Parts: sequence; structure tokens; C-alpha cells
Amino acid sequence: ETAVFQTPNYHVTQVGNEVSFNCKQTLGHDTMYWYKQDSKKLLKIMFSYNNKQLIVNETVPRRFSPQSSDKAHLNLRIKSVEPEDSAVYLCASSYWGGVYEQYFGPGTRLTVL
Amino acid sequence: QQKVQQSPESLSVPEGGMASLNCTSSDRNFQYFWWYRQHSGEGPKALMSIFSDGDKKEGRFTAHLNKASLHVSLHIRDSQPSDSALYFCAASVTGNTGKLIFGLGTTLQVQP
Repeated sequence: ETAVFQTPNYHVTQVGNEVSFNCKQTLGHDTMYWYKQDSKKLLKIMFSYNNKQLIVNETVPRRFSPQSSDKAHLNLRIKSVEPEDSAVYLCASSYWGGVYEQYFGPGTRLTVL
Repeated sequence: QQKVQQSPESLSVPEGGMASLNCTSSDRNFQYFWWYRQHSGEGPKALMSIFSDGDKKEGRFTAHLNKASLHVSLHIRDSQPSDSALYFCAASVTGNTGKLIFGLGTTLQVQP
């Protein structure tokens, strides 16, 4: 099956803990993204990687750090989570460039207590 | 200020009816426009793209772009209950990294 896969589906944690989310795509794309979708459904790009190279790095707190081992995998680590980090984190992939459709995974819902 | 603005915020149409969604950009650097649809509990999925002035039709969906006014619309004819979802307009600049700027979305409810 060709798609974008994310784990875990849900994660509940306490303020100050560290969390990691995983994303894998089997579509053969060379670019991957992390988006944050807040409680009002606003979708905002956080990072994008092209062939393991960081391309887009939006203004996000330094406790967020993406990690790419190869062009099919992109992980997101959050050190010392805050309540405002509660959101759905969506991974997407595409071919390089604005003309190509982005394929999204189902998301990881993070709840910070 | 949101660079991609959508209206209405929510919309209800009867089954078989026509749904019209609007999107306006405030940035003339945007060249590529997309419509994405998100069903509850899922990630967004691209419906269609439009890069040139005029209409583009794909099945029951028609997008219209007017670059001079930076306005793009989506019309869904013969709406089905399965079309009930959150619809996003998204824009990106020419030759860029693929960075998409999303609007806040329009929630469409199709009443059976």
C-alpha cells in the first residue's frame, strides 16, 4: 500500500515531558512536511525536508526538532512539551515544488495535561 | 493577518444542491492554488489544483481562478452527504519549496 503513515495515532503526556512522532511515506516522494493543526482547525506548516535536507523552517519554538534519516522518513521530536503544543500533527509528502499535490497522513493527536 | 481568507465559514446545502466556496488571497506572489478536503479524523486530501485564469472542471467539482482579483472559488454540483467535510483553500508561490499557506476552511454540511 502506498501512502503516508504516522505513529502513534494519539499521545497523552504531561507538561515537561519529551515526545517523538514518526512518519513514513511509501509514495516515492522526495519532499516531506510537518504541519500543526490546532483546535480551530488552522493548518500551519512547521518544517519541510527535501532529500533529507531541511528546506522550510518556520518560526516554531526551539523545543521542536525534526529528524530525517532518508527521504522516506521524517520524525518530529518535542522536548519539554507545553499545554499549547496540544494539537494534531500532520505529516505530508510530495515531489519537490509548488505544483505538486501534497499527500497527508492521518495525523497524531497530542494532548498535553 | 491571514494571507488566504475563506468564506463562508460554514455552509449547509440540501443533497443534490450546489455548494459554492470562496477564497481570496492578499499576496500577489501566490501563483498556485489548491482545494483540499478533510473529513473528520482524517488528514486533508487534495481535490484539485488551479494555476491559470478561468475554470477547471473535474467531475462534480469546478474551480475558478481570477488572478487579477486573487479570487478562487470551488463549486460542487449535485452535492452528496459524503461531501460533508472541512474544505481548505491553499496557495503557494511560483517555484518555491512547496510551502502551502492554508485558509481557515469552510465547513460544508450536506443535508440528506
